[in-house]
Amino acid sequence: EPEVTQTPSHQVTQMGQEVILRCVPISNHLYFYWYRQILGQKVEFLVSFYNNEISEKSEIFDDQFSVERPDGSNFTLKIRSTKLEDSAMYFCASGTLGSYNEQFFGPGTRLTVL
Amino acid sequence: AQSVTQPDIHITVSEGASLELRCNYSYGATPYLFWYVQSPGQGLQLLLKYFSGDTLVQGIKGFEAEFKRSQSSFNLRKPSVHWSDAAEYFCAVGDPNTGGFKTIFGAGTRLFVKA
Repeated sequence: EPEVTQTPSHQVTQMGQEVILRCVPISNHLYFYWYRQILGQKVEFLVSFYNNEISEKSEIFDDQFSVERPDGSNFTLKIRSTKLEDSAMYFCASGTLGSYNEQFFGPGTRLTVL
Repeated sequence: AQSVTQPDIHITVSEGASLELRCNYSYGATPYLFWYVQSPGQGLQLLLKYFSGDTLVQGIKGFEAEFKRSQSSFNLRKPSVHWSDAAEYFCAVGDPNTGGFKTIFGAGTRLFVKA
């Protein structure tokens, strides 16, 4: 069964460093999403991406964040200058056209900022 | 603004007992409604969804949910809980007016199952 994959599973970085989190969505999906979950808290929407552009973003998704689909298969989330409060689990999700926003989630990348 | 409320932070049920997890939403119209389950260290798995039509929806793993417009609720139920159901459960809504791109999650309810 096709699934969304994410790499790395755990990323440790120093404050101020740039990180790139990678996702490989399900191959025929056209909608892509990033969410984050700070430890012990709810899952928060960051951004959605369709047709090579951002469809919607939350207030969390400020200028420090960017997304890209560099090669037609990967979908990346970049944090330019990490802060301590960026430490969280980051989930990628993908969905199909006409699926009423049904999203398939990856296993997540745990980001730890020291 | 849309919001999702899961009033119970955690619930403990005995194996074999019935389960109901509560979810209330705030939205001007009927949103897309979802329940997800998250096992420890895992991603989110969709249990079921509601867009329109029959207000009682069936999902995977024997779960069902009922949409009640008058109460703005979408409670999740299971008639007989198994130990493997212990996990965190998230109710979520999507805004149909924006194509549902943005999904808002509730805070989650952690289910504990005792033998």
